[in-house]
Amino acid sequence: SAVISQKPSRDICQRGTSLTIQCQVDSQVTMMFWYRQQPGQSLTLIATANQGSEATYESGFVIDKFPISRPNLTFSTLTVSNMSPEDSSIYLCSVDDPRTGTNYGYTFGSGTRLTVV
Amino acid sequence: QKEVEQDPGPLSVPEGAIVSLNCTYSNSAFQYFMWYRQYSRKGPELLMYTYSSGNKEDGRFTAQVDKSSKYISLFIRDSQPSDSATYLCAMRTPYNTDKLIFGTGTRLQVFP
Repeated sequence: SAVISQKPSRDICQRGTSLTIQCQVDSQVTMMFWYRQQPGQSLTLIATANQGSEATYESGFVIDKFPISRPNLTFSTLTVSNMSPEDSSIYLCSVDDPRTGTNYGYTFGSGTRLTVV
Repeated sequence: QKEVEQDPGPLSVPEGAIVSLNCTYSNSAFQYFMWYRQYSRKGPELLMYTYSSGNKEDGRFTAQVDKSSKYISLFIRDSQPSDSATYLCAMRTPYNTDKLIFGTGTRLQVFP
């Protein structure tokens, strides 16, 4: 399966600042996905990033708050902008799992644990 | 009502026990069902996947889908301390292949 490197693994940030999370995959993938995992809640899809097009955001997530870049088939970034304590969460990058095809699950990175103070 | 419901646990069992983890769902259009395992401070790892109804076995793990009851299960036989993790169910419809809907996860602890 694909190997995903996600950076940083954790960070503590001041409110009002922005953090950019990087996701690097060891193989070319069509779609990359960004999820948020809050304590006691299910993983929630933020947006889908395809190379060469604008990211598609899920309801409740907007580009101004979570701008995404996808410059090539192995890399993507998610920025959490103008952060508030409510943005404290784990952010996960994921890609289609080549073992199972696009009908099934994804491979996830280890996540970025963000704390906003 | 959430689309996918999962008991958060924690579930604590002795080594060697049979573990049953379950999810219920409300959307009858779900056709693809998955179970992920997530160790502390790691991303979720795909464990099992099934299509529509029926059982699927892989080693000590069995995934079961009952579409008539909108109920899926993951059974772990001969549980080991290394199985201690959070188990998340996930599912999707055939027409919205980008979007997985996850349960909140059940924390499992297997003690020696």
